[in-house]
Amino acid sequence: EAGVTQSPTHLIKTRGQQATLRCSPISGHTSVYWYQQALGLGLQFLLWYDEGEERNRGNFPPRFSGRQFPNYSSELNVNALELEDSALYLCASSPGQYNSPLHFGNGTRLTVT
Amino acid sequence: GESVGLHLPTLSVQEGDNSIINCAYSNSASDYFIWYKQESGKGPQFIIDIRSNMDKRQGQRVTVLLNKTVKHLSLQIAATQPGDSAVYFCAENMRGAGSYQLTFGKGTKLSVIP
Repeated sequence: EAGVTQSPTHLIKTRGQQATLRCSPISGHTSVYWYQQALGLGLQFLLWYDEGEERNRGNFPPRFSGRQFPNYSSELNVNALELEDSALYLCASSPGQYNSPLHFGNGTRLTVT
Repeated sequence: GESVGLHLPTLSVQEGDNSIINCAYSNSASDYFIWYKQESGKGPQFIIDIRSNMDKRQGQRVTVLLNKTVKHLSLQIAATQPGDSAVYFCAENMRGAGSYQLTFGKGTKLSVIP
């Protein structure tokens, strides 16, 4: 069974540009979560999608947005990039059941210069 | 490899010894807890989980203990191996208004001395 896949693995952008990160969940999983892991700050919850709908978002500005497609894959968009957006962005999926663990991909390393 | 965090608590253990990694969680209403392992350059990998109606759960070479009285979680790794070197995170499910979002601790770096 393939795990959660993310692309690209690395992304370099300049301040003010837009970044698009992609995620394919484990087959059969309907929920997708996005987390930001900045150096020294642990994992911070960004967004949760389930059945194509945004269910919850963390304490991030509106320039962080995303969507979930009918095949349950997901996209995270970050507009007007700032230097502090440099981080590892992790996608996770779950079957959508309460009290089931999240399964993570290996992340996209975003560097903003 | 890349670091997943700076100034993390570090635990150094001799190969073959047992390791105990501790975690204090924040919300007494949390009812589900997970331990993850993150190796350099990779995403967090699920190790073991426990629900609040249990105080102990065992897996292969790992045991999780939950003490709800003092809001404390621990991960015990038996016969620690070099491949266990990683950053370990505990996570709690702080079930809010119908949403499911895990809150992660800062992590502990485990270094295994061969």
